[in-house]
Amino acid sequence: NAGVTQTPKFQVLKTGQSMTLQCAQDMNHNSMYWYRQDPGMGLRLIYYSASEGTTDKGEVPNGYNVSRLNKREFSLRLESAAPSQTSVYFCASSEAFLAGRALRTDTQYFGPGTRLTVL
Amino acid sequence: GQQVMQIPQYQHVQEGEDFTTYCNSSTTLSNIQWYKQRPGGHPVFLIQLVKSGEVKKQKRLTFQFGEAKKNSSLHITATQTTDVGTYFCAGRTGNQFYFGTGTSLTVIP
Repeated sequence: NAGVTQTPKFQVLKTGQSMTLQCAQDMNHNSMYWYRQDPGMGLRLIYYSASEGTTDKGEVPNGYNVSRLNKREFSLRLESAAPSQTSVYFCASSEAFLAGRALRTDTQYFGPGTRLTVL
Repeated sequence: GQQVMQIPQYQHVQEGEDFTTYCNSSTTLSNIQWYKQRPGGHPVFLIQLVKSGEVKKQKRLTFQFGEAKKNSSLHITATQTTDVGTYFCAGRTGNQFYFGTGTSLTVIP
């Protein structure tokens, strides 16, 4: 039981290059999330997927796209990387999700993160 | 837009002293969660508060959710070096979580 895994752990890109960050969870969770973490900014939600087959924008979606490939996997794509996207990216998952309701099973489990530098 | 403010940003304490971090939201929250992140690590869930005025304890940690469900606090009694890390609150509004900016705790032995 690996929990939430992310690849790669580190990545350096040049401005304009594209890449996909991969995330997978083996906990049979319905909801998955992508966050970015910048110094002094906390974690900011980029995109989330409440359930398989759905995706929605979070707080800072510009410059990113996502794919919920199946229940296990949720990928984040940078089509044309910019220096402002230098950050640590975390994927997370939670068991259940219903809009507007508080659930006991709302705990988010985070992956180890991807450190991305865009030059 | 939605904001969750967290203070202080940094806190240095002598081992054995108490520590408190506070979160304030601009809107009413469905629930609030607290996470701890060790340096170089990822956030790890500590607790979730759902009810107005709720208080929960985990050993030396006490968590409170305000009556209006707009603020929350985490209090650590008699800090230990193992408490070092950054503590984040995360408030749920609608379909999203909004994280506070975090409080970085340093414990001086």
